[in-house]
Amino acid sequence: NAGVTQTPKFQVLKTGQSMTLQCAQDMNHEYMSWYRQDPGMGLRLIHYSVGAGITDQGEVPNGYNVSRSTTEDFPLRLLSAAPSQTSVYFCASSYGTGGETQYFGPGTRLLVL
Amino acid sequence: AQRVTQPEKLLSVFKGAPVELKCNYSYSGSPELFWYVQYSRQRLQLLLRHISRESIKGFTADLNKGETSFHLKKPFAQEEDSAMYYCALIVSGNTPLVFGKGTRLSVIA
Repeated sequence: NAGVTQTPKFQVLKTGQSMTLQCAQDMNHEYMSWYRQDPGMGLRLIHYSVGAGITDQGEVPNGYNVSRSTTEDFPLRLLSAAPSQTSVYFCASSYGTGGETQYFGPGTRLLVL
Repeated sequence: AQRVTQPEKLLSVFKGAPVELKCNYSYSGSPELFWYVQYSRQRLQLLLRHISRESIKGFTADLNKGETSFHLKKPFAQEEDSAMYYCALIVSGNTPLVFGKGTRLSVIA
């Protein structure tokens, strides 16, 4: 099993550009989530999904969209990148809920100029 | 809303000294508490959860509902314990996991 994979590993964007951060898991996990990690701010939840076709907002959803058309994939879209979105983004998945062991991806480092 | 507080951004201890990473939460009910750890160049991973009441890599954590705390402890720190530690909480089935801001532990030889 590859576990949780994220692409790209690193990306530089200009303000106003859009992009999609990819997240995939091959463990048949129902629960998937996106976090951003910033110095001094810890891990903040952006969006999460309890199953295919179901998504919900987390603590910091503004400027991000998600969809969950399959169990395996949970892409995160930045509609119009802003410097405040410079961060490290982590995708995580688990079997049932957020209370199950979360398996994290390696992260995507995003720099918005 | 539920909240997790880790008051120390950085904790430095000498090898062999006891370690205590503090975690307090704000929730009136019965949450589930976790400690996650991120070693250098590795993925974030679960260290332990309070319902398991187990010791992982010498670390233990006890849920104190009276003080709403879930401090992580180890009697003798090792250099390989140096990492970023996150306390996390969940209140019910389909609610998301909420993390604290993290504490960086540095064990000095």
